[in-house]
Amino acid sequence: SQQGEEDPQALSIQEGENATMNCSYKTSINNLQWYRQNSGRGLVHLILIRSNEREKHSGRLRVTLDTSKKSSSLLITASRAADTASYFCATDLNTDKLIFGTGTRLQVFP
Amino acid sequence: EPEVTQTPSHQVTQMGQEVILRCVPISNHLYFYWYRQILGQKVEFLVSFYNNEISEKSEIFDDQFSVERPDGSNFTLKIRSTKLEDSAMYFCASTFMGLAGFQETQYFGPGTRLLVL
Repeated sequence: SQQGEEDPQALSIQEGENATMNCSYKTSINNLQWYRQNSGRGLVHLILIRSNEREKHSGRLRVTLDTSKKSSSLLITASRAADTASYFCATDLNTDKLIFGTGTRLQVFP
Repeated sequence: EPEVTQTPSHQVTQMGQEVILRCVPISNHLYFYWYRQILGQKVEFLVSFYNNEISEKSEIFDDQFSVERPDGSNFTLKIRSTKLEDSAMYFCASTFMGLAGFQETQYFGPGTRLLVL
Protein backbone atom coordinates (compact mmCIF):
# COMPACT_ATOMS: atom_id res chain seq x y z
CA SER A 1 0.00 0.00 0.00
CA GLN A 2 1.08 3.59 -0.48
CA GLN A 3 2.04 6.05 2.24
CA GLY A 4 -1.25 7.69 3.13
CA GLU A 5 -4.24 5.75 1.98
CA GLU A 6 -7.69 6.85 3.00
CA ASP A 7 -10.57 4.52 3.48
CA PRO A 8 -13.29 4.54 2.31
CA GLN A 9 -12.68 6.14 -1.07
CA ALA A 10 -16.21 7.51 -1.05
CA LEU A 11 -18.82 7.98 1.65
CA SER A 12 -22.43 9.14 1.38
CA ILE A 13 -24.45 10.03 4.45
CA GLN A 14 -27.46 12.07 5.52
CA GLU A 15 -27.19 15.38 7.32
CA GLY A 16 -26.93 14.87 11.04
CA GLU A 17 -25.10 11.56 10.76
CA ASN A 18 -21.47 11.09 11.72
CA ALA A 19 -18.79 10.49 9.11
CA THR A 20 -15.63 8.52 9.85
CA MET A 21 -12.66 8.43 7.52
CA ASN A 22 -9.50 6.43 8.06
CA CYS A 23 -5.94 6.92 6.95
CA SER A 24 -3.11 4.40 7.02
CA TYR A 25 0.55 5.05 6.47
CA LYS A 26 3.68 2.95 6.25
CA THR A 27 6.65 4.67 7.87
CA SER A 28 7.22 6.63 11.07
CA ILE A 29 6.06 10.21 11.12
CA ASN A 30 6.39 13.39 13.17
CA ASN A 31 2.92 14.71 12.42
CA LEU A 32 -0.20 13.83 10.55
CA GLN A 33 -2.44 16.51 9.12
CA TRP A 34 -5.96 16.40 7.75
CA TYR A 35 -7.10 18.68 4.94
CA ARG A 36 -10.38 19.33 3.18
CA GLN A 37 -10.75 20.16 -0.48
CA ASN A 38 -13.97 21.34 -2.04
CA SER A 39 -14.29 20.29 -5.66
CA GLY A 40 -11.57 21.91 -7.74
CA ARG A 41 -10.63 24.30 -4.97
CA GLY A 42 -7.78 24.80 -2.51
CA LEU A 43 -6.73 22.74 0.48
CA VAL A 44 -8.07 23.84 3.84
CA HIS A 45 -6.18 22.70 6.90
CA LEU A 46 -8.33 20.97 9.51
CA ILE A 47 -6.13 19.47 12.23
CA LEU A 48 -2.49 18.60 12.89
CA ILE A 49 -1.82 15.75 15.31
CA ARG A 50 1.69 14.98 16.49
CA SER A 51 3.13 11.51 16.83
CA ASN A 52 3.04 11.74 20.63
CA GLU A 53 -0.65 12.66 20.67
CA ARG A 54 -3.50 10.19 20.55
CA GLU A 55 -6.55 12.37 20.07
CA LYS A 56 -7.43 15.95 19.16
CA HIS A 57 -10.67 17.82 18.84
CA SER A 58 -11.66 20.89 16.90
CA GLY A 59 -15.33 21.80 16.91
CA ARG A 60 -17.20 18.92 15.28
CA LEU A 61 -13.95 17.22 14.26
CA ARG A 62 -12.20 14.51 16.21
CA VAL A 63 -8.92 13.01 15.06
CA THR A 64 -7.22 9.98 16.53
CA LEU A 65 -3.75 8.65 15.88
CA ASP A 66 -2.52 5.14 16.58
CA THR A 67 1.19 5.01 15.82
CA SER A 68 1.40 1.30 16.64
CA LYS A 69 -1.08 0.59 13.85
CA LYS A 70 0.16 3.47 11.70
CA SER A 71 -3.35 4.76 11.27
CA SER A 72 -5.47 7.82 11.93
CA SER A 73 -9.16 8.52 11.80
CA LEU A 74 -11.16 11.68 11.23
CA LEU A 75 -14.64 11.82 12.69
CA ILE A 76 -17.06 14.56 11.67
CA THR A 77 -20.04 14.62 14.01
CA ALA A 78 -23.50 15.92 13.13
CA SER A 79 -22.54 16.38 9.50
CA ARG A 80 -23.93 19.16 7.34
CA ALA A 81 -24.38 19.49 3.60
CA ALA A 82 -21.53 22.03 3.67
CA ASP A 83 -19.18 19.25 4.82
CA THR A 84 -19.40 17.75 1.33
CA ALA A 85 -15.81 17.68 0.11
CA SER A 86 -12.78 15.46 -0.28
CA TYR A 87 -10.75 14.81 2.83
CA PHE A 88 -7.04 14.02 2.75
CA CYS A 89 -4.53 12.94 5.32
CA ALA A 90 -0.95 14.08 4.88
CA THR A 91 2.13 12.74 6.64
CA ASP A 92 5.59 14.21 6.89
CA LEU A 93 7.89 11.14 6.87
CA ASN A 94 10.36 12.91 9.19
CA THR A 95 11.04 15.61 6.60
CA ASP A 96 9.02 18.74 6.03
CA LYS A 97 7.44 17.65 2.75
CA LEU A 98 3.91 16.31 3.00
CA ILE A 99 2.83 13.05 1.45
CA PHE A 100 -0.86 13.09 0.69
CA GLY A 101 -3.22 10.19 0.64
CA THR A 102 -5.70 9.38 -2.06
CA GLY A 103 -8.58 11.05 -0.24
CA THR A 104 -12.11 10.21 0.83
CA ARG A 105 -14.93 11.87 -1.11
CA LEU A 106 -17.68 12.70 1.38
CA GLN A 107 -21.18 13.48 0.17
CA VAL A 108 -23.67 14.75 2.77
CA PHE A 109 -27.27 14.79 1.60
CA PRO A 110 -29.68 17.34 3.09
CA GLU B 1 -6.57 35.62 9.51
CA PRO B 2 -3.39 35.59 7.42
CA GLU B 3 -3.52 33.45 4.32
CA VAL B 4 -1.41 32.30 1.42
CA THR B 5 -2.38 33.94 -1.87
CA GLN B 6 -1.65 32.82 -5.41
CA THR B 7 -1.90 34.46 -8.81
CA PRO B 8 -3.20 33.90 -11.36
CA SER B 9 -6.10 31.66 -10.39
CA HIS B 10 -6.17 30.22 -13.93
CA GLN B 11 -3.57 30.18 -16.68
CA VAL B 12 -3.87 28.78 -20.18
CA THR B 13 -0.68 28.47 -22.21
CA GLN B 14 0.64 26.83 -25.34
CA MET B 15 3.00 23.89 -25.11
CA GLY B 16 6.60 25.07 -25.05
CA GLN B 17 5.80 28.43 -23.47
CA GLU B 18 7.20 29.61 -20.17
CA VAL B 19 4.88 30.24 -17.25
CA ILE B 20 5.48 31.84 -13.88
CA LEU B 21 3.15 31.09 -11.01
CA ARG B 22 3.20 33.50 -8.13
CA CYS B 23 2.60 33.06 -4.44
CA VAL B 24 2.64 35.33 -1.43
CA PRO B 25 3.24 33.18 1.67
CA ILE B 26 2.11 34.15 5.15
CA SER B 27 4.41 36.94 6.26
CA ASN B 28 6.19 35.38 9.25
CA HIS B 29 6.67 31.99 7.62
CA LEU B 30 10.13 30.87 6.58
CA TYR B 31 9.50 27.57 4.78
CA PHE B 32 7.84 27.50 1.39
CA TYR B 33 6.57 24.72 -0.82
CA TRP B 34 5.06 23.96 -4.18
CA TYR B 35 2.76 21.01 -4.74
CA ARG B 36 0.69 20.02 -7.71
CA GLN B 37 -2.47 18.02 -8.26
CA ILE B 38 -3.25 16.57 -11.65
CA LEU B 39 -7.01 16.36 -12.13
CA GLY B 40 -8.45 13.45 -10.18
CA GLN B 41 -5.12 12.49 -8.64
CA LYS B 42 -3.25 12.95 -5.39
CA VAL B 43 -1.55 16.13 -4.30
CA GLU B 44 2.17 15.68 -5.04
CA PHE B 45 5.15 17.45 -3.50
CA LEU B 46 7.36 19.35 -5.93
CA VAL B 47 9.87 21.39 -3.94
CA SER B 48 10.62 22.94 -0.57
CA PHE B 49 12.53 26.17 -0.09
CA TYR B 50 14.21 27.69 2.96
CA ASN B 51 16.78 30.39 3.48
CA ASN B 52 16.82 31.25 -0.21
CA GLU B 53 17.63 27.79 -1.42
CA ILE B 54 15.93 24.55 -2.32
CA SER B 55 15.97 22.17 0.62
CA GLU B 56 14.30 19.23 -1.10
CA LYS B 57 12.81 18.46 -4.49
CA SER B 58 10.92 15.55 -5.97
CA GLU B 59 11.75 13.71 -9.18
CA ILE B 60 8.96 15.67 -10.84
CA PHE B 61 10.94 18.88 -10.27
CA ASP B 62 13.32 18.52 -13.19
CA ASP B 63 15.43 21.13 -15.00
CA GLN B 64 12.31 22.69 -16.53
CA PHE B 65 11.22 23.89 -13.09
CA SER B 66 12.76 26.58 -10.95
CA VAL B 67 11.75 28.52 -7.86
CA GLU B 68 12.70 31.94 -6.66
CA ARG B 69 12.01 34.35 -3.86
CA PRO B 70 12.71 37.57 -5.72
CA ASP B 71 11.82 39.85 -2.84
CA GLY B 72 10.70 39.61 0.76
CA SER B 73 7.16 38.59 -0.03
CA ASN B 74 6.82 36.69 -3.32
CA PHE B 75 7.67 33.07 -4.03
CA THR B 76 7.52 31.97 -7.66
CA LEU B 77 7.48 28.72 -9.60
CA LYS B 78 8.70 28.90 -13.19
CA ILE B 79 8.17 26.24 -15.80
CA ARG B 80 10.51 27.00 -18.69
CA SER B 81 8.97 25.01 -21.51
CA THR B 82 5.57 23.66 -20.61
CA LYS B 83 4.41 20.21 -21.63
CA LEU B 84 0.88 18.89 -21.92
CA GLU B 85 1.44 16.80 -18.80
CA ASP B 86 2.20 19.92 -16.76
CA SER B 87 -1.53 20.68 -16.78
CA ALA B 88 -2.53 20.58 -13.13
CA MET B 89 -3.52 22.64 -10.13
CA TYR B 90 -0.40 24.10 -8.52
CA PHE B 91 -0.50 24.88 -4.82
CA CYS B 92 1.88 27.01 -2.83
CA ALA B 93 2.20 26.39 0.90
CA SER B 94 4.10 27.94 3.77
CA THR B 95 4.88 27.16 7.38
CA PHE B 96 7.19 28.06 10.21
CA MET B 97 9.15 25.60 12.25
CA GLY B 98 8.30 25.38 15.92
CA LEU B 99 10.88 26.02 18.61
CA ALA B 100 11.36 22.31 19.23
CA GLY B 101 12.10 21.81 15.56
CA PHE B 102 8.77 20.25 14.83
CA GLN B 103 6.95 21.38 11.75
CA GLU B 104 3.81 23.34 12.28
CA THR B 105 0.81 23.41 10.01
CA GLN B 106 1.42 23.89 6.30
CA TYR B 107 -1.04 26.48 5.01
CA PHE B 108 -2.00 26.19 1.39
CA GLY B 109 -2.99 28.82 -1.11
CA PRO B 110 -6.09 28.50 -3.29
CA GLY B 111 -4.07 27.19 -6.23
CA THR B 112 -3.38 28.11 -9.84
CA ARG B 113 -5.06 25.94 -12.42
CA LEU B 114 -2.65 25.56 -15.33
CA LEU B 115 -3.85 24.26 -18.67
CA VAL B 116 -1.27 23.53 -21.34
CA LEU B 117 -2.65 23.22 -24.87
